[in-house]
Amino acid sequence: GQQLNQSPQSMFIQEGEDVSMNCTSSSIFNTWLWYKQDPGEGPVLLIALYKAGELTSNGRLTAQFGITRKDSFLNISASIPSDVGIYFCAGPLDMDSNYQLIWGAGTKLIIKP
Amino acid sequence: DAGITQSPRHKVTETGTPVTLRCHQTENHRYMYWYRQDPGHGLRLIHYSYGVKDTDKGEVSDGYSVSRSKTEDFLLTLESATSSQTSVYFCAISFSTNQPQHFGDGTRLSIL
Repeated sequence: GQQLNQSPQSMFIQEGEDVSMNCTSSSIFNTWLWYKQDPGEGPVLLIALYKAGELTSNGRLTAQFGITRKDSFLNISASIPSDVGIYFCAGPLDMDSNYQLIWGAGTKLIIKP
Repeated sequence: DAGITQSPRHKVTETGTPVTLRCHQTENHRYMYWYRQDPGHGLRLIHYSYGVKDTDKGEVSDGYSVSRSKTEDFLLTLESATSSQTSVYFCAISFSTNQPQHFGDGTRLSIL
């Protein structure tokens, strides 16, 4: 079945550093979603991408929908302590709807002390 | 949290007992979803609903049933809980199939 491979699994970062993570699929997607999850809470939508090549920003976050439609990237510039958490990519299993999302296993962002 | 309330937030129960989790939304969204989250697996869809009394199975539906008798409530039932169903359960809603899903804060369920 379809899988989403998210990398890296975890990252240790210094405050102020830029961060990059990516997600790849074995199949073509028509939508890519990026969520962030804080401990004890549900995932919160950060950015939604709907078109191949699309580059969308949300504050210090920028996400791109890969040209091949099989990958997506999320960048965080000038990281701050509240950026720690787990970042998930997700995409719809069904090309025509978002009924069933499949999810990457997440990238855990940790601030170095 | 997009007007989504999950109850209970935590539950500990024994193998073989029935368990019902509730998701309540105040957004009047048509679509509702139940997921489970386990380490290393991201979120996996259990069941979803596309309207009152309209539900369908997701990726990991075995051992679970759902009901939706009104727009605002979506119930997830474990008829006879097993230890493999220990997990964190999330409810999500969406306005339409082409709109992203928004999540509640989860229910942590432990089955001993």
